[in-house]
Amino acid sequence: QKEVEQNSGPLSVPEGAIASLNCTYSDRGSQSFFWYRQYSGKSPELIMSIYSNGDKEDGRFTAQLNKASQYVSLLIRDSQPSDSATYLCAPRGGGSYIPTFGRGTSLIVHP
Amino acid sequence: DGGITQSPKYLFRKEGQNVTLSCEQNLNHDAMYWYRQDPGQGLRLIYYSQIVNDFQKGDIAEGYSVSREKKESFPLTVTSAQKNPTAFYLCASMGMLAAGHNEQFFGPGTRLTVL
Repeated sequence: QKEVEQNSGPLSVPEGAIASLNCTYSDRGSQSFFWYRQYSGKSPELIMSIYSNGDKEDGRFTAQLNKASQYVSLLIRDSQPSDSATYLCAPRGGGSYIPTFGRGTSLIVHP
Repeated sequence: DGGITQSPKYLFRKEGQNVTLSCEQNLNHDAMYWYRQDPGQGLRLIYYSQIVNDFQKGDIAEGYSVSREKKESFPLTVTSAQKNPTAFYLCASMGMLAAGHNEQFFGPGTRLTVL
């Protein structure tokens, strides 16, 4: 059974701080890793993808991947109230068409 | 504009009725998916299709049916056999950016309520 673990939160951070969202996964064959943002009542929106160990930066977002530890994280710098949402981690095994979704971490950025 | 459309946005069903949720994409993606999301829960896979005229059951296929007659379309029927159909239904498709780099994108969703 492939599992993806995320702390459900809520994670509460002040505006301007760094928010750190973490995800562990059980499938060692996972090759692709995705972070989605989901606002309440809306569908998930892909915000980051990472395929190799290390860091990948895109604007205020940085994804970090450590395949040996089966750990992927998302850092949000200079957090804004508009970042308040649920963040879903979704690894996908090599050759698979099906990502496995975690339950998501709720992030609240307060002014 | 390329994207995934779902209709209707809201749907109300009486118990015992079948309903069909529409999903269309103009991204030329081969793979399409249906997920169900309940409040406070993650996404659960209902059905997926990797090519036209072929589809596979996901983790919670009972009470649902799909068809894939065209690449662009992947409708989901919620049958009366589905005991608890009230949920948020999400359609997704996956395209290849580069070898091994496939990304999945979601439609806006249909919120189904059984009265």
